Amino acid sequence: EVQLLESGGDLVQPGGSLRLSCAASGFTFSTYAMSWVRQAPGKGLEWVSGISGSDGNTYYADSVKGRFTISRDNFNDILSLQMRSLRVEDTAIYYCVKENYYDSRRFDSWGQGILVTVSS
Amino acid sequence: EIMLTQSPGALSLSPGQRATLLCRASQSITNYLAWYQQKPGRAPRLLIYGASSRATGIPDRFTGSGSGTDFTLTIRTLEPEDSAVYYCQHYGLSPTGTFGLGTKVEIK
Repeated sequence: EVQLLESGGDLVQPGGSLRLSCAASGFTFSTYAMSWVRQAPGKGLEWVSGISGSDGNTYYADSVKGRFTISRDNFNDILSLQMRSLRVEDTAIYYCVKENYYDSRRFDSWGQGILVTVSS
Repeated sequence: EIMLTQSPGALSLSPGQRATLLCRASQSITNYLAWYQQKPGRAPRLLIYGASSRATGIPDRFTGSGSGTDFTLTIRTLEPEDSAVYYCQHYGLSPTGTFGLGTKVEIK
């Protein structure tokens, strides 16, 4: 069974930094692309960033490009999101998501989500 | 960038009725469309991919159809547990994965 467990969410001031982690299990982590998807309070879903399985190519939404960095540790099966220069509008639940093997950005499995609050 | 427009924004129906949710893409996405269900306080769940294929474990009362720019999610014989927000999403054609704004389905 696929399990994705996010951690690292917190309250942080605008301009601050935070690192999210996602521990993956139940599948061969290194062979799957992974993404982060977020949801601001009372709002819809927004894809934030993705990383391919083995070659590590990374992709970002325009809203976070230059501020967020996605990475993965295929030895320990961990996905990370380093967030810098955080803004109030980055406040959201962040979901760690496993992509489909054949179709990029088709989100087959989701973590339970972790809350990031950016506020002074 | 491909935009997805979902309609209606909300539906209120009774158990046993049929729900019809629409998703329109700003340009052709062939059949690279998925539907997700999100219940309150829960993570989204994949329902439909490839516009019409049900994901593992999804009941057959959920049916997806369409291609090109116009897509439909039909939920026949609504049950109370189907109360949720339903999102369409396009995938596979670009590095991003755009979602629609969602349709909230309320079961009276």
